[in-house]
Amino acid sequence: DAGVIQSPRHEVTEMGQEVTLRCKPISGHNSLFWYRQTMMRGLELLIYFNNNVPIDDSGMPEDRFSAKMPNASFSTLKIQPSEPRDSAVYFCASSATGTSGRTEQFFGPGTRLTVL
Amino acid sequence: GIQVEQSPPDLILQEGANSTLRCNFSDSVNNLQWFHQNPWGQLINLFYIPSGTKQNGRLSATTVATERYSLLYISSSQTTDSGVYFCAARTITDSWGKLQFGAGTQVVVTP
Repeated sequence: DAGVIQSPRHEVTEMGQEVTLRCKPISGHNSLFWYRQTMMRGLELLIYFNNNVPIDDSGMPEDRFSAKMPNASFSTLKIQPSEPRDSAVYFCASSATGTSGRTEQFFGPGTRLTVL
Repeated sequence: GIQVEQSPPDLILQEGANSTLRCNFSDSVNNLQWFHQNPWGQLINLFYIPSGTKQNGRLSATTVATERYSLLYISSSQTTDSGVYFCAARTITDSWGKLQFGAGTQVVVTP
């Protein structure tokens, strides 16, 4: 079975441009998580969805960031307008979540974003 | 929320050496995972271990949930073991599968 799929793997853009990152979770998983990793701040949880519904977006840095999950097999993280400080590796992860049972989380390969 | 602390923050090993990484957590958990982030940045699942002991090749892990800690053992280390090891925990009060990550242990294995 395919793991979590992210695209693009690398993105270089100029300040002010819109950036869209994409994620396809593992089939059958009903929770999806977006993380950001930088040297300074480590691994941060930005937002997560359960059954396509955003549960907690308190980690989203500011209004320039938005995320959607229109269906169970696709999610996007958008930055508009992008700034150099948004440069980071963005990870998507998914898990099957319930009040009991195995809830192992699996990560995609990440998108390395560079904003010039 | 739950606090997850890892120690040591850094570890330098000679190839062939054994080591133990520790993860302490501040609340009861129903999910405890160990990840390895390799030098290429990929986060690899090592163990899903909310309690008990598991082994996978040269790696093994033990979680003592009642005492709120987990240990990751690396035996006969190899240069490919280099990278950052993360522990992450989910508290039993969380309904959505959210993990709290520790800061990681940076491991360097020298030839």
